[in-house]
Amino acid sequence: DAKTTQPPSMDCAEGRAANLPCNHSTISGNEYVYWYRQIHSQGPQYIIHGLKNNETNEMASLIITEDRKSSTLILPHATLRDTAVYYCIVSANFGNEKLTFGTGTRLTIIP
Amino acid sequence: GAGVSQTPSNKVTEKGKYVELRCDPISGHTALYWYRQSLGQGPEFLIYFQGTGAADDSGLPNDRFFAVRPEGSVSTLKIQRTERGDSAVYLCASGLAGGPLNEQFFGPGTRLTVL
Repeated sequence: DAKTTQPPSMDCAEGRAANLPCNHSTISGNEYVYWYRQIHSQGPQYIIHGLKNNETNEMASLIITEDRKSSTLILPHATLRDTAVYYCIVSANFGNEKLTFGTGTRLTIIP
Repeated sequence: GAGVSQTPSNKVTEKGKYVELRCDPISGHTALYWYRQSLGQGPEFLIYFQGTGAADDSGLPNDRFFAVRPEGSVSTLKIQRTERGDSAVYLCASGLAGGPLNEQFFGPGTRLTVL
């Protein structure tokens, strides 16, 4: 699986949009970008995934650059409950692939 | 519905002892994964089951680690002759087989402490 690079930590004011970047310059054509998050003392939770088009669901939006070498996860109106470690993962989408986690970005929402 | 459950939530043992960690996946999920997470690190893959068989055990660190899933549902991770370096949170996840989405549902983990 391609390697990803994320900033180790970020802060965001409550109510503002949180934009979390991820670099995946070695991504290959059949690999998707997945985002998971891990709230303290819980297991990781799936957020969103995409191949090359931008994606949006009830939790977040995912913006993938045209060359697919980087992406940004957007939490449009961050709340205190969004404080967590966010992992950007590249995975071939054959289903049932093991996930290769990096160290993620620790996002802290400031009241 | 019920999510993935793991027991015990905490396990403290002494170096050299044997431990078993249990995972109850979401009903109907044929894929089951074990990960290990050390402090300050992301989860690290250990083993993946498709049904009853281990489809990928490349992440098991050595032969002290073994996992089973005899009936294709509940799984047990077994660690023999525990070492202090085995201390970590052991996470279990389950998912649907063969689907187009690699969404894995994680349990809360078992925190293992080896003294």
